Amino acid sequence: AQTVTQSQPEMSVQEAETVTLSCTYDTSESDYYLFWYKQPPSRQMILVIRQEAYKQQNATENRFSVNFQKAAKSFSLKISDSQLGDAAMYFCAYRRNNDMRFGAGTRLTVKP
Amino acid sequence: NAGVMQNPRHLVRRRGQEARLRCSPVKGHSHVYWYRQLPEEGLKFMVYLQKENIIDESGMPKERFSAEFPKEGPSILRIQQVVRGDSAAYFCASSQSTGGPDTQYFGPGTRLTVL
Repeated sequence: AQTVTQSQPEMSVQEAETVTLSCTYDTSESDYYLFWYKQPPSRQMILVIRQEAYKQQNATENRFSVNFQKAAKSFSLKISDSQLGDAAMYFCAYRRNNDMRFGAGTRLTVKP
Repeated sequence: NAGVMQNPRHLVRRRGQEARLRCSPVKGHSHVYWYRQLPEEGLKFMVYLQKENIIDESGMPKERFSAEFPKEGPSILRIQQVVRGDSAAYFCASSQSTGGPDTQYFGPGTRLTVL
């Protein structure tokens, strides 16, 4: 079974600095997709960034980028120039076809 | 905003009552997924439906829970004879297809509280 592990229950970052959230996953498949979702206090799940496993290039969305290491089954999220609005729960997710698995989440606090 | 809509946003039920949660997918999306989130946990897959068909219900409890996605109207997650352990946030997501890079878009969730 595919599992997703986020080893950092909580992380903290100073405003304007950079933080990296870790995620590892377990799969025997070679074709899949990885996601980072943000869940603010409103509980809405917001897609932050997506990575196709067949692409070697790391995905980037403005201040958000990933470090995708397929052999190591690692998919970390880097947030640059952190803003107060980045404070939220962040969930890493793995998807292959209709099978989508989420990690337990990392709570990010941004200090002013 | 033509995103995924869920209602109600908050639902309170007493033990033994029925809970009905509704989900309207993004216009044009024919794939709907339901997830449950317990406090301080990630989302857990429950069921995947296409129009009029349940494709995968491997994550749904065998008793008291059912889901449907009729030809017309929203998808419904139904919980009969609710118990306190059913208290959670229930999220619906939709996608255009299951293959390829298609992303699941999530609704705002329904928070169910069982008294």
